[in-house]
Amino acid sequence: DTAVSQTPKYLVTQMGNDKSIKCEQNLGHDTMYWYKQDSKKFLKIMFSYNNKELIINETVPNRFSPKSPDKAHLNLHINSLELGDSAVYFCASSQGSGGEQYFGPGTRLTVT
Amino acid sequence: GDSVTQMEGPVTLSEEAFLTINCTYTATGYPSLFWYVQYPGEGLQLLLKATKADDKGSNKGFEATYRKETTSFHLEKGSVQVSDSAVYFCALSTSADKLIFGTGTRLQVFP
Repeated sequence: DTAVSQTPKYLVTQMGNDKSIKCEQNLGHDTMYWYKQDSKKFLKIMFSYNNKELIINETVPNRFSPKSPDKAHLNLHINSLELGDSAVYFCASSQGSGGEQYFGPGTRLTVT
Repeated sequence: GDSVTQMEGPVTLSEEAFLTINCTYTATGYPSLFWYVQYPGEGLQLLLKATKADDKGSNKGFEATYRKETTSFHLEKGSVQVSDSAVYFCALSTSADKLIFGTGTRLQVFP
């Protein structure tokens, strides 16, 4: 009965590959987010979706493409992976504007 | 733009010591303020929140008061435990419905 789940938990891949991270929430929330946490633990928002519509896109390279098939899922696809993409990626969800956000366990992406 | 500033860590304390982690913010309008905690190898968990000036958020012995006049939201706990060792993030929620985080403060508590 995990509230926000992500798969995979760890992802190791080579430069130039394409990979996807999946996120699902069973809280009935209408807004979902992707955050990136770098090696110094700094967290920054990448995207948010509300009811399958893109709301926030924080100057992320267009190699990153979020996809929301329904309001319970928000996947992140990354093309042509680069070394600098290595980070922990967190999915989150919330209900309504300004509400508290619930985070998934994170996906640690390592690009070699 | 909106931003959050936290004290640099690590903060190293003995068990039962008093904890303060400073957090100040810059924001237009009236943001909601949050403290999140990240235990080793885990995701972020909401620790407490405050949605308007003078509100006090509290949870698990931690407290923080939304101070509009000093634009601060300092985290305090009267007696820390080894199990409180984690990274603590102060954050604000903007009108655009995104969380802006501070850089995080690592707390290490020794027995």
